[in-house]
Amino acid sequence: AQKITQTQPGMFVQEKEAVTLDCTYDTSDPSYGLFWYKQPSSGEMIFLIYQGSYDQQNATEGRYSLNFQKARKSANLVISASQLGDSAMYFCAMRGYTGANSKLTFGKGITLSVRP
Amino acid sequence: EPEVTQTPSHQVTQMGQEVILRCVPISNHLYFYWYRQILGQKVEFLVSFYNNEISEKSEIFDDQFSVERPDGSNFTLKIRSTKLEDSAMYFCASSEREPLYNEQFFGPGTRLTVL
Repeated sequence: AQKITQTQPGMFVQEKEAVTLDCTYDTSDPSYGLFWYKQPSSGEMIFLIYQGSYDQQNATEGRYSLNFQKARKSANLVISASQLGDSAMYFCAMRGYTGANSKLTFGKGITLSVRP
Repeated sequence: EPEVTQTPSHQVTQMGQEVILRCVPISNHLYFYWYRQILGQKVEFLVSFYNNEISEKSEIFDDQFSVERPDGSNFTLKIRSTKLEDSAMYFCASSEREPLYNEQFFGPGTRLTVL
């Protein structure tokens, strides 16, 4: 079984600054994937970034990067140069290698508010 | 860019009624999923579907729920007799192949309100 923990209360960041959203996980699977999704107030789920457990380097996608620390079981999302449009709920999720059809397990999410 | 679509965007129904939520996954995707999100809570897995059968289902997915891929494009979730606690946002998702290494693409969701 997989478990994702997101315990930060609502986060605030000044526009153009960087912010880190925390995520820790627990799994017994030897191979797994970690994902971050953004959910704006309109409700849709937008994929941001993926990190494989055996990837040697931290994933990056534009202004998003994932600070993956396997020994600590953490996969924090770093958003650089925050924009007003980054205000949303952010979910960390993982998928274990339990077969070809593995489900995503989500954390509770973190609300990010970007201040002008 | 191809995307997952869902209809309707909002469904209001009376308790005990049947509802069918519809999804059109991305055309070349082979793995399909339903998730739900009760307001203010985390996204929860309901069911996964591959090769015309259910691959995995959660404890939420009881006998009141069913899924179907009636043709080559649609993927539906049916709730036979809705309860108040079924009120939630329901997301359909699809994945191309080797799901571990590929993201699931989510649809915009259907907000179900049970009165």
